[in-house]
Amino acid sequence: EIQMMQSPVTLSVSPGERATLSCRASESLSSHLAWYQQKPGQAPRLLIYDVSTRATDTPARFSGSGSGTEFTLTISSLQSEDFALYYCQQTHRWPLTFGGGTKVEIK
Amino acid sequence: QVQLVQSGAEVKKPGASVVVSCKASAYTFSDYYIHWVRQAPGQRLEWMGRIHPDSGGPYYAPTFEGRVTMTRDTSIYTAYMELNTLKSDDTAVYYCSLHNPSLREYFVQWGQGTLVTVSS
Repeated sequence: EIQMMQSPVTLSVSPGERATLSCRASESLSSHLAWYQQKPGQAPRLLIYDVSTRATDTPARFSGSGSGTEFTLTISSLQSEDFALYYCQQTHRWPLTFGGGTKVEIK
Repeated sequence: QVQLVQSGAEVKKPGASVVVSCKASAYTFSDYYIHWVRQAPGQRLEWMGRIHPDSGGPYYAPTFEGRVTMTRDTSIYTAYMELNTLKSDDTAVYYCSLHNPSLREYFVQWGQGTLVTVSS
C-alpha cells in the first residue's frame, strides 16, 4: 500500500500568518491527492481534491499544489476557524490511505 | 442538504461483533458510493472499504477482509458495516462517507461518527 507522510506534526502559527503543510507519498500519485480538515469532535471535511481543486465552500485562502510524491497545502492568512488537524489522502491506488496529520495550532 | 446519520455509540466485549448503520437523506441514494473510514484514538484515518449503492457489491481493504461485511438496504436508504471478532484495538470512531463516482474517491460528505469501544 502507498504510505503517506505529513510534516510537520504540529505547526504553530499566529493568526493572519501563512501556513504551509507538507505531504509526501511513497510512490507517485499523479494528481490523485486530497486534503481534509478535522476539528475536535467532528468528522473530517474535504477541502481540496485533485491536488489543487477547492471543494464546495472551501475559502480561497486554501490552496493546494504539488505533483508526483510531494504535495503542499497552503493557508495564506490563518483565521481563527482554521486551527485544526489536516490530513492528506491518496486515491491513486487501493487501499486508500491517509497521512498522519498536521495539527495547526495558535502560536 | 445531503446528510448521513449514524447509529449511536456501542460498547462491546472482545470477540463480539458490532453493526453500525448509516442513514442517508436528501440525495438520490444510487448517486454516491458509500465508504467506511475509522479513526482510533490519536491515530490517522483508516479506510475500511466501500459498497456500491445499486448492486451492493462491496470492496474491502485487505486489513479488514474476512472480518468486515458492508451491506445496504435501498428501501430505507441505509448502509451497514458489521465488524466481527472485535479486539481492543478496534476501539475507534467509525465514519460512513460519500464518494461521487464521477470523481476519484474523495469523501464529499461524512456521517457524524459512531464510537465503538471494545473492552472486557
